[in-house]
Amino acid sequence: QSAPTQPASVSGSPGQSVTISCTGTSSDVGNYNLVSWYQQHPGKAPKLIIYEGDKRPSGVSDRFAGSKSGSTASLTISGLQPEDEADYHCCSFVGNKIVVFGGGTKLTVL
Amino acid sequence: QVQLQESGPGLVKPSQTLSLTCVVSGGSINRGGYYWSWIRQHPGKGLEWIGYIYYTGSIYYNPSLRSRVTISQDMSKNQFSLDLSSVTVADTAVYYCARSRTYYFDSSGFDFWGQGTLVSVSS
Repeated sequence: QSAPTQPASVSGSPGQSVTISCTGTSSDVGNYNLVSWYQQHPGKAPKLIIYEGDKRPSGVSDRFAGSKSGSTASLTISGLQPEDEADYHCCSFVGNKIVVFGGGTKLTVL
Repeated sequence: QVQLQESGPGLVKPSQTLSLTCVVSGGSINRGGYYWSWIRQHPGKGLEWIGYIYYTGSIYYNPSLRSRVTISQDMSKNQFSLDLSSVTVADTAVYYCARSRTYYFDSSGFDFWGQGTLVSVSS
């Protein structure tokens, strides 16, 4: 199973919205609604921000939203804030109890 | 609140076996609904799923690591472990243990993580 593709970096100004894509195939991202997203600040463990495609864990801001179209899952962060600057990772279930992470995306808040 | 804490050597010699333990508090690993997982992150890189274990003893591994990985659990100590054999410098990484929630027995998101432990492979 190959890793879903994420852009290496994205950027946006405070208050703006940014979208990070996670592109797989019809066999993984496109076949299951089991994509999760993680926020990771430098030197810290990842934090779950979206699971099962579009669900937010308790305590996660509603500025974070997950969606999917075809074989591409997306994470949209609205009302960008300085503390949103971090690495973002997607993870997709690919069948046979296996999951695969994307390569990660660095978000810069300008 | 579930908490996970990794422990183990920070330095392993090439060709030896890397062994880590994850102690879980605030929740029992002896219940359904969750996979207990190992994930690693090479320096400056993305995350790599290693494998996970269910309370029934079912274990699932990353196919690329399957030949070298063993995950086990000790219910009496509420902990689970990772053994990675025949390590090389390419196995140098931060190793995380994490809990995966499930959706109809499939992993749907890693909701609790340990702080991670850096393991370096060097002679």
